[in-house]
Amino acid sequence: TQLLEQSPQFLSIQEGENLTVYCNSSSVFSSLQWYRQEPGEGPVLLVTVVTGGEVKKLKRLTFQFGDARKDSSLHITAAQPGDTGLYLCAGAMGGTYKYIFGTGTRLKVLA
Amino acid sequence: DADVTQTPRNRITKTGKRIMLECSQTKGHDRMYWYRQDPGLGLRLIYYSFDVKDINKGEISDGYSVSRQAQAKFSLSLESAIPNQTALYFCATSEGSLDTQYFGPGTRLTVL
Repeated sequence: TQLLEQSPQFLSIQEGENLTVYCNSSSVFSSLQWYRQEPGEGPVLLVTVVTGGEVKKLKRLTFQFGDARKDSSLHITAAQPGDTGLYLCAGAMGGTYKYIFGTGTRLKVLA
Repeated sequence: DADVTQTPRNRITKTGKRIMLECSQTKGHDRMYWYRQDPGLGLRLIYYSFDVKDINKGEISDGYSVSRQAQAKFSLSLESAIPNQTALYFCATSEGSLDTQYFGPGTRLTVL
């Protein structure tokens, strides 16, 4: 059973545009992580959010954890071709170190 | 040198064969994980281990088994491979309260 749904599944945009990726669930998570994966490689952690309503920024990327800790969003400002990749969210269940991954959003930024 | 290594990187095998995928880490982490990745399904947890004597089933453990030979080594076995086990397999390690997971480069397995 897939507990984390990501939208959109695919996104192709021009360089300089803004975008938002969503990660939604009916379950509450003790923490949520965002990863980026490039072809031929394993996912690499971008950020971990642990508090409801928390907002974290990583250069042009802004991550938000929902107040109820059931959802999260990733906003990219002025996307660049180097942002191209598969973005995955992952939620930790009940304070454990066991993560459920989302379905992924494949982003392509065109120059 | 990579902190998390997986061997082999690619493997093609036939239905019914026994396959072992190996994972080694130099990060000194206690927690290790095996995931499989299929298009449109993200990563799904197969097995995880929080120390050498602790092995736990994940979401999709049927048809798989694991062995934690040492803190640094965690192997995944397919006792009798079937075509729907064709996928990309990742090993990961983690530690600490924020639990950053460090992934290996993956093994692409094809079962014919």
